[in-house]
Amino acid sequence: ETGVTQSPTHLIKTRGQQVTLRCSSQSGHNTVSWYQQALGQGPQFIFQYYREEENGRGNFPPRFSGLQFPNYSSELNVNALELDDSALYLCASSPQGASTEAFFGQGTRLTVV
Amino acid sequence: AQSVTQPDIHITVSEGASLELRCNYSYGATPYLFWYVQSPGQGLQLLLKYFSGDTLVQGIKGFEAEFKRSQSSFNLRKPSVHWSDAAEYFCAVALMEYGNKLVFGAGTILRVKS
Repeated sequence: ETGVTQSPTHLIKTRGQQVTLRCSSQSGHNTVSWYQQALGQGPQFIFQYYREEENGRGNFPPRFSGLQFPNYSSELNVNALELDDSALYLCASSPQGASTEAFFGQGTRLTVV
Repeated sequence: AQSVTQPDIHITVSEGASLELRCNYSYGATPYLFWYVQSPGQGLQLLLKYFSGDTLVQGIKGFEAEFKRSQSSFNLRKPSVHWSDAAEYFCAVALMEYGNKLVFGAGTILRVKS
């Protein structure tokens, strides 16, 4: 059984650019959530996807968007990058929509310069 | 609004000493509570969870936590700390009505001195 994998592990972008982060969910999991963890803070919920539909969103602007594919992998897209978007982006998958146990990937470290 | 408070930003304990990390939550319904651990530059690993039933839950690596509804607390404990326990610990509550969204505390950094 493979765990949650994220790519890339590190990324440097320039302010104003766009970025796509990818997540492969754990085998058998159909729910994927994304979190932003700024330096020195706890993770903040961005949004969740369940069976390819958005299923809950945190307090993030529309330039943060996502997708979930039929194989339950997911993408997080961020447009018009700002310096404050620099953070560790964590993906978590869960086996069913009703389950609350989330399994996290290693994260993507995004630096915006 | 729902929130999780971890009052201690840093804690330093000696190897072999006992440990208690505090967590308080604010949530109207019955909470689903978690403790996660994060090593530097890494993702989050689940230590233990409370959904219902026995208020004392056992987790991995010798950790346990006790849910106290009257105090809105879910403190993490370990009787004897090992140097490898040095990491950052996060308490979280799951909000079922928001698609299983996890609300995390700010974390407690544990340092272990030999």
